This record gives sequence, C-alpha cells and structure tokens, in this order.
Amino acid sequence: GESVGLHLPTLSVQEGDNSIINCAYSNSASDYFIWYKQESGKGPQFIIDIRSNMDKRQGQRVTVLLNKTVKHLSLQIAATQPGDSAVYFCAENISSGGAGKSTFGDGTTLTVKP
Amino acid sequence: GAVVSQHPSWVICKSGTSVKIECRSLDFQATTMFWYRQFPKQSLMLMATSNEGSKATYEQGVEKDKFLINHASLTLSTLTVTSAHPEDSSFYICSARDRRGYHNEQFFGPGTRLTVL
Repeated sequence: GESVGLHLPTLSVQEGDNSIINCAYSNSASDYFIWYKQESGKGPQFIIDIRSNMDKRQGQRVTVLLNKTVKHLSLQIAATQPGDSAVYFCAENISSGGAGKSTFGDGTTLTVKP
Repeated sequence: GAVVSQHPSWVICKSGTSVKIECRSLDFQATTMFWYRQFPKQSLMLMATSNEGSKATYEQGVEKDKFLINHASLTLSTLTVTSAHPEDSSFYICSARDRRGYHNEQFFGPGTRLTVL
C-alpha cells in the first residue's frame, strides 16, 4: 500500500541551531499533511499541518514546506531547544474518501545537544 | 480543549487473558476514533477506524476477532485485546476526530502500554 517515509532516522543539532526534518510521501491523492512530535512513552502531539493547496505554512518557531511536484514535506524548527528533542512523524491524509485516517511515516529522532 | 484520555495508561497481564482499553474524548464529541499500535522504535500503525454506532473498519492484516472495538457513544471507544499473547505487547494509542472540526485533524490520547507475560 501507499506509505510515507522519512529520509533520515536520526538528527542531532546544537541548541540554538535550526533543524530541518524531511519526509517523502508516495500517495499523490493525499491532500492534507500533518507533523507530530512524540516524546518517549507519550502519544503524538500535533505540531503543524498543511493542505495541498498551500506550499508553506508557518507556526510558532516551526515552518512546514510542501513540494507536491516531488512529493516532499519538510519541517523546519527555528532556534532548536532541548525540549524539542523527540521523535517527529509526518502523516498524510486524504480528505475525501479516506475516512480521515492518517498514514504515518517512519519517524525521525531529533536530539538537541546543549 | 480537544483532550483525549486513555485508560489504563499501562497494564500487565498473563498470556491468554483479555484486556480492555478505553479511549475517551473529554471535551468534544467524536464520531470517529482511530486505534493505532506502536512497537518500540517504530511508527504508528493504524489498526482500525471506529465509528460511533457502527462496526469498526479494520486495516488489512488486523484480526477483528482478536481486537474487538466498540464505539458505543460519541465520547467513548474501547479496544479489547482478546486472548492476549506476548507478541501483542505494544503501545496502543487512540485518536479522535472532533465532529465539528475542519480537515481531518485528530487528537491523540497518551497511549496504553500493554505487556503480556
């Protein structure tokens, strides 16, 4: 079936630097994408989302970029902090006919060094 | 707002017993809830979609007779792992969609750690 995958399983950055986490998706019918943060032993936490009619969306310290041409999604975290250390998942969703269910990528473990 | 709870947060049981996990939307009504399973250092795998008042829709490869799902109200869905075995040990996570919400935003519960001895 269709899947969403991440390019890098781990990412280590220095505190204060910017982080970029990438994601490739394969279902061209997907039109809604979400980034989640998951800390150890907890459920995923919503970070930011983007619909396919947009190519960029900004939140507080985070930006999501969507490139539909190459089916690529990225999450940028500005001024990364130790509290940002977690596993980050992208998820794809089909708004119509997809029953609202999300397909998750493999996850990238972000480690922030003080 | 948009809080989802799960109970219990962790459970240890003997092989062959059944375990029930509850998922509740605390401050909103959820016509649809989702159940995921996550093994260590792996991603979330969707097991089934639970719709209020109707039968759950299971993903390919998930045994519906082993993982019983009941969505009896707009705020509660339950997952029962029947005749649990050690290979069922995993982190079970539910999510819920707010019926008033836009897009398909899901709100996730904190997860339930199941250990089968």
